[in-house]
Amino acid sequence: GAVVSQHPSWVICKSGTSVKIECRSLDFQATTMFWYRQFPKQSLMLMATSNEGSKATYEQGVEKDKFLINHASLTLSTLTVTSAHPEDSSFYICSAPAISNTEAFFGQGTRLTVV
Amino acid sequence: KQEVTQIPAALSVPEGENLVLNCSFTDSAIYNLQWFRQDPGKGLTSLLLIQSSQREQTSGRLNASLDKSSGRSTLYIAASQPGDSATYLCAVSPTGFQKLVFGTGTRLLVSP
Repeated sequence: GAVVSQHPSWVICKSGTSVKIECRSLDFQATTMFWYRQFPKQSLMLMATSNEGSKATYEQGVEKDKFLINHASLTLSTLTVTSAHPEDSSFYICSAPAISNTEAFFGQGTRLTVV
Repeated sequence: KQEVTQIPAALSVPEGENLVLNCSFTDSAIYNLQWFRQDPGKGLTSLLLIQSSQREQTSGRLNASLDKSSGRSTLYIAASQPGDSATYLCAVSPTGFQKLVFGTGTRLLVSP
């Protein structure tokens, strides 16, 4: 199956700093990617839809100025958590749909801890 | 708004038992449904994908059924093993664009 690579797998940062998470589709092109967030003992919630060459679409309640998404190429989307705070500590995971749109492929996820 | 619920929230069984995990969704207008496995602190492993026109899918000891009209899916695990211990998530795609709505998850523990 298709491979989506997410980096880093975990990161610890100080409060107030910014963190960038990368999501790459390794063997296929993805004009759209999705970013999800999972708080401890909760399910995954969609944060935003990343669109190649245009602005991301954010779900209700997600601050677009805090979670900057850039989809500069057909194989790379990045999520930058700006001015991170401890409450941003979470598991972030990206996905990309198959060309046929029949299924979604997920990255390995990034565990962010803000101290 | 689509809501996906999974029952039970947690399940602990001895090795060898056959299991049924349940998933229900409020809006039957789905494109497909997927079952995933998530190990602690890890990403997602796709187990089974059922298109809206299908009734079930099988892979090894796993069998998933879909009753779209009633908004239900079940994941059947035969002859459970300790290695099956994980959280199982179901997710529906409201459109063909794979923007998924996830269920609340079932934490499974299979003891030797």
